[in-house]
Amino acid sequence: DTAVSQTPKYLVTQMGNDKSIKCEQNLGHDTMYWYKQDSKKFLKIMFSYNNKELIINETVPNRFSPKSPDKAHLNLHINSLELGDSAVYFCASSQDAFGVREQYFGPGTRLTVT
Amino acid sequence: KQEVTQIPAALSVPEGENLVLNCSFTDSAIYNLQWFRQDPGKGLTSLLLIQSSQREQTSGRLNASLDKSSGRSTLYIAASQPGDSATYLCAGPSNDYKLSFGAGTTVTVRA
Repeated sequence: DTAVSQTPKYLVTQMGNDKSIKCEQNLGHDTMYWYKQDSKKFLKIMFSYNNKELIINETVPNRFSPKSPDKAHLNLHINSLELGDSAVYFCASSQDAFGVREQYFGPGTRLTVT
Repeated sequence: KQEVTQIPAALSVPEGENLVLNCSFTDSAIYNLQWFRQDPGKGLTSLLLIQSSQREQTSGRLNASLDKSSGRSTLYIAASQPGDSATYLCAGPSNDYKLSFGAGTTVTVRA
């Protein structure tokens, strides 16, 4: 009964390809996030959705497009992958959109672009 | 924007010693601070969330304190064990509700 799950766990692909990462949470939370952890281990927020609406959109290339079909799912689609996109991408969820409640993280998706 | 710093970047202690992990933040209007644990190749596990109205939060061998006036939070781990070896991250929200993370402190507990 994993709280926040992501698929795939590993993704190896070539430059120029388009790929998607899926995230699901079974915690009943209203807010979901995508974070990127680079090679230096810094975690930075990319997007946040609350009740399927985009509420945080950091300075991220347009090649990244999140989609939330319902409150329990937040997917990340990446077009025209570049070498610099290689990183670990984490999905997270929380009961609120204001950073008041705890955030729960998925296991991460390690993306390698060759 | 909230800036979060964790020093030292790495720490190695013998088993049984108490661990003290430091976290500094720039915006004293912070309304909570969360501590996470990250094992190699794994996701983040939430350890403690301490609200600004609290000075301390405890869970088992873990104790987190928050001092808004000095811009500091400390995570204490009592009687460390080899299983405590991991990277510990702290994170606090800024007034735009985004969580800012420190770079983490990687802890090694030697048996």
